[in-house]
Amino acid sequence: GDSVTQTEGQVALSEEDFLTIHCNYSASGYPALFWYVQYPGEGPQFLFRASRDKEKGSSRGFEATYNKETTSFHLQKASVQESDSAVYYCALGDRGYAQGLTFGLGTRVSVFP
Amino acid sequence: GGIITQTPKFLIGQEGQKLTLKCQQNFNHDTMYWYRQDSGKGLRLIYYSITENDLQKGDLSEGYDASREKKSSFSLTVTSAQKNEMAVFLCASSIGTGGAEQFFGPGTRLTVL
Repeated sequence: GDSVTQTEGQVALSEEDFLTIHCNYSASGYPALFWYVQYPGEGPQFLFRASRDKEKGSSRGFEATYNKETTSFHLQKASVQESDSAVYYCALGDRGYAQGLTFGLGTRVSVFP
Repeated sequence: GGIITQTPKFLIGQEGQKLTLKCQQNFNHDTMYWYRQDSGKGLRLIYYSITENDLQKGDLSEGYDASREKKSSFSLTVTSAQKNEMAVFLCASSIGTGGAEQFFGPGTRLTVL
């Protein structure tokens, strides 16, 4: 079956640091890839998605590029702020059918002033 | 814009009890989902529904029933609550294709005594 692997379980950074969260996927066909962010006490919020090889998704200073060759969709942000502290989820979905998403285990990001 | 409402926010039940969680959306979305979120395990799909009166099982459907009597609502029933089911249950909706973003509610936290 489909799967998503996020390498980092937790990341601790200082403000203005560069953030990278690694996401690799395994899926048949050509999935859509997503990043979601979850703040305490809330449901996950959609950040952005990409649906084609080499397509870049971006939002709020975060970005990731769909790489079919390396089956990756790594999240990056150049300069994090304390308000970016949250749990980030990488997910994949079938582009054609309305099915649930397959999520990674999440990465908890803590940004300190 | 729209909103997803989940009731109750906190649900406490006894082991073996039948418990029902409710979800309402005003996006007019076709597809709705129930996910379970356990600490350290990400989100896992329980049930989804692509239209009124449709039900599709996810990977975690055993021990649960679902109901979609109206387009705007989707209920989940825990048929016999177990202590190892303590988790946050998240409802989501989307326009209907796997490539579309899903909008999440704030969750129902289940505690089983």
